[in-house]
Amino acid sequence: QQQVKQSPQSLIVQKGGIPIINCAYENTAFDYFPWYQQFPGKGPALLIAIRPDVSEKKEGRFTISFNKSAKQFSLHIMDSQPGDSATYFCAAAGGTSYGKLTFGQGTILTVHP
Amino acid sequence: NAGVMQNPRHLVRRRGQEARLRCSPMKGHSHVYWYRQLPEEGLKFMVYLQKENIIDESGMPKERFSAEFPKEGPSILRIQQVVRGDSAAYFCASSPPPGRNTEAFFGQGTRLTVV
Repeated sequence: QQQVKQSPQSLIVQKGGIPIINCAYENTAFDYFPWYQQFPGKGPALLIAIRPDVSEKKEGRFTISFNKSAKQFSLHIMDSQPGDSATYFCAAAGGTSYGKLTFGQGTILTVHP
Repeated sequence: NAGVMQNPRHLVRRRGQEARLRCSPMKGHSHVYWYRQLPEEGLKFMVYLQKENIIDESGMPKERFSAEFPKEGPSILRIQQVVRGDSAAYFCASSPPPGRNTEAFFGQGTRLTVV
């Protein structure tokens, strides 16, 4: 019940494409859903986060869509660039600590020029 | 995430030795979280600490692993008698005290290699 399932495992798009990464969770106590971006040899960096009181959040080229009834959320990257090539992790947390995160397995995104 | 400082960045230990990983949280952050990332996998929560107190250690292996966050100085993750399976990247994150907008920020990690 603590798992967060992420798909696809890897994704290749052309520059300008719109990669979509999906996550699903089971634990209804989760109420905070961030996405992290990780480059090789670096730590995860917070990209964007959403809470269940909204169905969509947009920051720059990154958009999270959230479906509370289906317990699913997804990341869309508009006008993707080669510099977006990285590993993306969805995560979830709840209760009093948003630092105790349950991570998805990660998606390796490659954006070709 | 540049504010969370972890050292060393790379650590090589022989089987049976001890590994000590250090984490200094961002300024103003009093809560620290340790995560482990095995190759090709996501991050797994290990332990959550505040100054002089372990809040949640539900992800810590039962043996050989310990963590502390003293009143002064960095948080320490200690692995005794390391084995090859301990080889991984260990990340520390920090946050202010829990609240609606208290997000965690990660350090660059320590990559432990056991030979």
